[in-house]
Amino acid sequence: DTAVSQTPKYLVTQMGNDKSIKCEQNLGHDTMYWYKQDSKKFLKIMFSYNNKELIINETVPNRFSPKSPDKAHLNLHINSLELGDSAVYFCASRQTSGGETSTDTQYFGPGTRLTVL
Amino acid sequence: EDQVTQSPEALRLQEGESSSLNCSYTVSGLRGLFWYRQDPGKGPEFLFTLYSAGEEKEKERLKATLTKKESFLHITAPKPEDSATYLCAVPNQAGTALIFGKGTTLSVSS
Repeated sequence: DTAVSQTPKYLVTQMGNDKSIKCEQNLGHDTMYWYKQDSKKFLKIMFSYNNKELIINETVPNRFSPKSPDKAHLNLHINSLELGDSAVYFCASRQTSGGETSTDTQYFGPGTRLTVL
Repeated sequence: EDQVTQSPEALRLQEGESSSLNCSYTVSGLRGLFWYRQDPGKGPEFLFTLYSAGEEKEKERLKATLTKKESFLHITAPKPEDSATYLCAVPNQAGTALIFGKGTTLSVSS
């Protein structure tokens, strides 16, 4: 199935640990995103990544770093986890270039629920 | 600052009881308004994109409309399976991300 997938689905860890969340899309899109959904279900952009251009939301702590090994993958590394990092993290993708093949629609993954104890 | 506001926060309907959800936005140069559906424990699922005032789109029991300042998601004769959180979003000015509203959680009982 064509989709945006994330691993793991659930992640429980202790404060101070470093963890990664992986995202893969097989839609052939050139732009990927990370969003954070807090306990009040509010979705907020963290990063967008188009080929080699990374656009960072200024409110995101530098403990968070996206890494893209190739166009189909965008991983999220989090260092020194804090209690406030507990949330659901969503990856999304979109095709932004290519004329007729570009789309304004972002397609989301199933989410990773991170719990920091 | 670009903003998206959805109302009501929660809506309870009986099966067959039609209603509307509202999404108001303040963004200059609107480049699309998006509606998503989110079920518990899942990612947002795309429903509609609207680009210009007066535009309407339909899918089964859902119809989305757009004015210059707001969008409505009309739900006609809802069924329990329509229960979900409905999210509205607009692109930010740079076009680099979506700005989401806080959503309307719809519960339809039989």
